[in-house]
Amino acid sequence: EVELVESGGGLVKPGGSLTLSCAASGFTFSDAWMSWVRQAPGKGLEWVGRIKSKTDGGTTDYAAPVKGRFTISRDDSKNTLFLQMNSLKTEDTAVYYCTTDKGYGSIYFASWGQGTLVTVSS
Amino acid sequence: QSVLTQPPSVSEAPRQRVTISCSGSSSNLGNNAVNWYQQLPGKAPKLLIYYDHLLPSGVSDRFSGSKSGTSASLAISGLQSEDEADYYCAAWDDSLYGVVFGGGTKLTVL
Repeated sequence: EVELVESGGGLVKPGGSLTLSCAASGFTFSDAWMSWVRQAPGKGLEWVGRIKSKTDGGTTDYAAPVKGRFTISRDDSKNTLFLQMNSLKTEDTAVYYCTTDKGYGSIYFASWGQGTLVTVSS
Repeated sequence: QSVLTQPPSVSEAPRQRVTISCSGSSSNLGNNAVNWYQQLPGKAPKLLIYYDHLLPSGVSDRFSGSKSGTSASLAISGLQSEDEADYYCAAWDDSLYGVVFGGGTKLTVL
């Protein structure tokens, strides 16, 4: 059974940095494309970005609001996905979910973690 | 302002049928499949429908999806109180080169 467990959330000041982790199990992590999706309090879902498997190039893509500030990486030896967040803004406050990506063309998020809350506030 | 447009809320009585619409453009729904997610109160989202109309294993066949051009819809038949949730449509957007979501629709079972 697929399991995704996010960690690393917390309170950080505007302009600060934070790194989230997502521990994966129950599937071949090294073959998986993975995404981060966030949800601001009381708001809808927003895709943050994704990383392809190393077999498929290991490249990353990001949504415009986070491009240049956030970096997605992976450690296949530890079955762990990361989201490094720099220059954080109050509008980055959200629950961050990691997901497994499936499909080609229009990818879909087959499995989700329970999420970790990031609060950006002075 | 979400790229995909959904009604903020819908409501219907138990055992009835309800549909939730999702409207997009040629760069997303017009050229790519739509996927739907269900988010129960206080829970993480869950995949409900993928590739316009396919159901993941374990999802009730009371849920169905369809798409035509730049519009899609999710239908739920035989409504139950446990269906009360937020529903989101999503698709890849070729112009933005990323996944875009609808703003979400809150379903209330009266």
